[in-house]
Amino acid sequence: GAGVSQTPSNKVTEKGKYVELRCDPISGHTALYWYRQSLGQGPEFLIYFQGTGAADDSGLPNDRFFAVRPEGSVSTLKIQRTERGDSAVYLCASSLNAADTGELFFGEGSRLTVL
Amino acid sequence: GENVEQHPSTLSVQEGDSAVIKCTYSDSASNYFPWYKQELGKRPQLIIDIRSNVGEKKDQRIAVTLNKTAKHFSLHITETQPEDSAVYFCAATKTSGSRLTFGEGTQLTVNP
Repeated sequence: GAGVSQTPSNKVTEKGKYVELRCDPISGHTALYWYRQSLGQGPEFLIYFQGTGAADDSGLPNDRFFAVRPEGSVSTLKIQRTERGDSAVYLCASSLNAADTGELFFGEGSRLTVL
Repeated sequence: GENVEQHPSTLSVQEGDSAVIKCTYSDSASNYFPWYKQELGKRPQLIIDIRSNVGEKKDQRIAVTLNKTAKHFSLHITETQPEDSAVYFCAATKTSGSRLTFGEGTQLTVNP
């Protein structure tokens, strides 16, 4: 596609529920990143993939968070037993190749609200 | 890990004036420093970046300077325009594909 696409753009859920957020990166980009942005804050790193494998998942806050990228393209961020503190905008970004640091192309984000 | 601090958190200037935003970083191994602009409700977009082998880079009205010894870098916007109003984020990383660490952001307002 022309840019990074994220769905849903908005998700409202109840505490304790399970959510999935999807990211479709720019075609041909092998590196994919997930960030979380709370109101008035900078993006906070969660995880990044080089191809199908998670190269660095040290930013995931706890074991309720998990992400996959089974075919090296689309990625899904999964959050179990959501808590109110999980409310934020979840940003996905892709780049041509993580080994050659360059511009990250961000999606518009998925705004998650946990009631 | 890397820690990036950004100042000021808000900046208000008159149209045509210059704006300067400053960032410091903690990890001396960091060698890639991008700046992103984020308009309200929109995605962050890269506006300029600098690598550690240069001290300054310019692109029209925007420039970035880097002082590796002091571990700080700055964004300079000249002849500001109302459309420059946005939140600006600095970031730092090593070039080996590790994650970007962002600053807290600066809300720039350019008053007509």
